[in-house]
Amino acid sequence: SQQGEEDPQALSIQEGENATMNCSYKTSINNLQWYRQNSGRGLVHLILIRSNEREKHSGRLRVTLDTSKKSSSLLITASRAADTASYFCATDANSGYALNFGKGTSLLVTP
Amino acid sequence: GAGVSQSPRYKVAKRGQDVALRCDPISGHVSLFWYQQALGQGPEFLTYFQNEAQLDKSGLPSDRFFAERPEGSVSTLKIQRTQQEDSAVYLCASSLGSVGGQPQHFGDGTRLSIL
Repeated sequence: SQQGEEDPQALSIQEGENATMNCSYKTSINNLQWYRQNSGRGLVHLILIRSNEREKHSGRLRVTLDTSKKSSSLLITASRAADTASYFCATDANSGYALNFGKGTSLLVTP
Repeated sequence: GAGVSQSPRYKVAKRGQDVALRCDPISGHVSLFWYQQALGQGPEFLTYFQNEAQLDKSGLPSDRFFAERPEGSVSTLKIQRTQQEDSAVYLCASSLGSVGGQPQHFGDGTRLSIL
């Protein structure tokens, strides 16, 4: 079963714009991770945020976590065509090691 | 190796045949995971190894699915008497340690099509 739900399911923006994706989950977590998947490829880890953290930055990425609302957001600033991919949030709920993924947000960045 | 390697990249089999999917994790990684990804969905957990020990196989859909990692490195996922619903991308991932809260490094997957 899928633990997280990303919103929106699909997002289309132009290069240079910011992209925001949201993730909601159902049960308590130790940490939350965001991954990117290009078509036909495996998932690439982007960022991990622990349950006691509220915000984290990595390059053009900004992740927030609100454990009271069981939600997280991923912001990609100054998007590029190369950012076109599917983005998934994943939590370690239940086992503490196996990742539970949502259905993902499909991001299209047009030049 | 530089990353997680999976083979074959594509596999087509007739219903009822057995298939074997291989995963070469990053050298030295203790943890190894298998996930199944249906079209348009996120990956779903199948099984977890810590070195050669299979600690969790709760996600395996049926007893037709079997995984092993005999020497604590390369892993094989075997599916016996394949069914059409087994068609999916099978992803392998590894992580350095044996505890949670670590990034997982994924291979590009094996796309399995059952005719």
